[in-house]
Amino acid sequence: GENVEQHPSTLSVQEGDSAVIKCTYSDSASNYFPWYKQELGKRPQLIIDIRSNVGEKKDQRIAVTLNKTAKHFSLHITETQPEDSAVYFCAATFTGGGNKLTFGTGTQLKVEL
Amino acid sequence: DAGVIQSPRHEVTEMGQEVTLRCKPISGHDYLFWYRQTMMRGLELLIYFNNNVPIDDSGMPEDRFSAKMPNASFSTLKIQPSEPRDSAVYFCASSFGVGGWGTQYFGPGTRLLVL
Repeated sequence: GENVEQHPSTLSVQEGDSAVIKCTYSDSASNYFPWYKQELGKRPQLIIDIRSNVGEKKDQRIAVTLNKTAKHFSLHITETQPEDSAVYFCAATFTGGGNKLTFGTGTQLKVEL
Repeated sequence: DAGVIQSPRHEVTEMGQEVTLRCKPISGHDYLFWYRQTMMRGLELLIYFNNNVPIDDSGMPEDRFSAKMPNASFSTLKIQPSEPRDSAVYFCASSFGVGGWGTQYFGPGTRLLVL
């Protein structure tokens, strides 16, 4: 079935360090993998996404990598800052689901001073 | 572009009352999604529409929940009768695109409290 597993559930890093969040998915035909950031009391907002025909995508301090063979993708945040503290969700589309996204369970990232 | 619009932003009601949540998707988007978010259960997809037609309502928790999309610019999620366990933040999201590549944009959410 449609399944996205996300790890870790919580992550604490020192300001300036890197943070990595990993997700695995079950459908080898999945072709779209967005990442959302949700600050406390706010809506989830897209921060970066990647399509199945690309292995890596970068936008300033954030990057996403995709390994289709292993069916996993990761979010990398470099030079973390306090404003990066939030819950991050990975997601994936699945065959026959159109634009429906299946979300991971979220990672609470805390960037400590 | 105003983005996805939801109303009301906050709703406090008593158990047994009917609750109606409203959503206006981004103009031109052909998919609309209703989600519920709680600390215990995370982000759950309740139902989604494509071109105003309900495609998958398997996430609707029970018959007390119903959703409609009478046109491309408006959708409602109704809970009748409401119960305390329905307390949550309800998000509406919309997207456009074929082939499963459409980015979903979320509305600000409706924070529902059922007493």
